[in-house]
Amino acid sequence: SQQGEEDPQALSIQEGENATMNCSYKTSINNLQWYRQNSGRGLVHLILIRSNEREKHSGRLRVTLDTSKKSSSLLITASRAADTASYFCATDTFKTGANNLFFGTGTRLTVIP
Amino acid sequence: DAGITQSPRHKVTETGTPVTLRCHQTENHRYMYWYRQDPGHGLRLIHYSYGVKDTDKGEVSDGYSVSRSKTEDFLLTLESATSSQTSVYFCAIRGQGSSYNEQFFGPGTRLTVL
Repeated sequence: SQQGEEDPQALSIQEGENATMNCSYKTSINNLQWYRQNSGRGLVHLILIRSNEREKHSGRLRVTLDTSKKSSSLLITASRAADTASYFCATDTFKTGANNLFFGTGTRLTVIP
Repeated sequence: DAGITQSPRHKVTETGTPVTLRCHQTENHRYMYWYRQDPGHGLRLIHYSYGVKDTDKGEVSDGYSVSRSKTEDFLLTLESATSSQTSVYFCAIRGQGSSYNEQFFGPGTRLTVL
């Protein structure tokens, strides 16, 4: 399986603190994406980083990618209660050209008000 | 949920019965996907479609079949449901234009096989 692993499985922080979650994967990739899932809902795309990029920012999100270590991290700064959700990394290996994504097992983030 | 609907949203069925889940999109997207989500496994791709009547297998396709007779509908069929197919099923579409590498997900169908 090309599925990634995420660390930690669960994270609980106070509102205003930063949250960092990590993703490791197994094969070479075209890009890596992060998705958020609120309880009982579908996944929502957050940010995409290409294999030739090392860092990317979007609002309070910062993503890093280290292809030599096959790992990525997602940093959420100044967290809010509304950030409470599960976060998944997904890798696109581009083997088929069909945008088939391989998802990690997720990090459950709880932000305490 | 990006104009994607799934039906039914919840279903309870018995082992051995056939089940069909429907995914409907309104924006003429070419690519559509079916995933299942289970604790400890994240999302795993079952089947995907790259056009009308064009489908292919994903990571966990055994026990599932799909059909796409028109652009807007992608059907997932469990010919003879088993308890191991109890899961939450998500449909997704591939974005277009600047979102071409992203996927947009439906609200999910919770299936319980007794």
